[in-house]
Amino acid sequence: QLQLQESGPGLVKPSETLSLTCTVSGGSISGSSYYWGWIRQPPGKGLEWIGSIFYSGSTYYYPSLKSRVTISVDMSKNQFSLKLSSVTAADTAVYYCAGHLPFTMGNYWGQGALVIVSS
Amino acid sequence: QSALTQPRSVSGSPGQSVTISCTGTSSDIGGYNYVSWYQQYPGKAPKLMIYDVAKRPSGVPDRFSGSKSGNTASLIISGLQAEDEADYYCCSYAGTYTYWVFGGGSKLTVL
Repeated sequence: QLQLQESGPGLVKPSETLSLTCTVSGGSISGSSYYWGWIRQPPGKGLEWIGSIFYSGSTYYYPSLKSRVTISVDMSKNQFSLKLSSVTAADTAVYYCAGHLPFTMGNYWGQGALVIVSS
Repeated sequence: QSALTQPRSVSGSPGQSVTISCTGTSSDIGGYNYVSWYQQYPGKAPKLMIYDVAKRPSGVPDRFSGSKSGNTASLIISGLQAEDEADYYCCSYAGTYTYWVFGGGSKLTVL
């Protein structure tokens, strides 16, 4: 059973870069057909897919965020990471990492990490 | 505004059945049989309840079922129980540009 855990700063200043890491346990990032994704949920609002990566390095980003997002994988640490640049208050959200199959978003989820964008 | 449209709230009494709809377009729901549904309790991560329109992951009660007609998918919960009170989100694969889109979520209240 895969387990995922997000980590990173809970407070980021406007215009700076949000950075989060997801540590995967219970399985190898490179040892399965799972993709590794990030989804966010602004307070009191719905879910929004941000992007995903396959262990090979292939990345897939939501079009409206693509210019600001970078997702990478570190197989040696069994981790994958999210960087979101030029953040504003609108990027304040709970950020979830997830393991998913090619056409299903979110078979396994982390517990979520609240990131607040504020000066 | 979310890409997929769900009712903001639905309700039902214990033992009854409720249906939550999720409307998209021919570019997402209508174009692929890759609709999934998630249950989310307050302050918790979403949980996969239905995938590929109508398939249930291991451990999900068979009271939960899914269907699709045209551009609209539905989550049906039969034999409603108090523990089913939660937010429910639909999600659809949307092709090799947008990839995945979510609905805005529906709050289910068990009366």
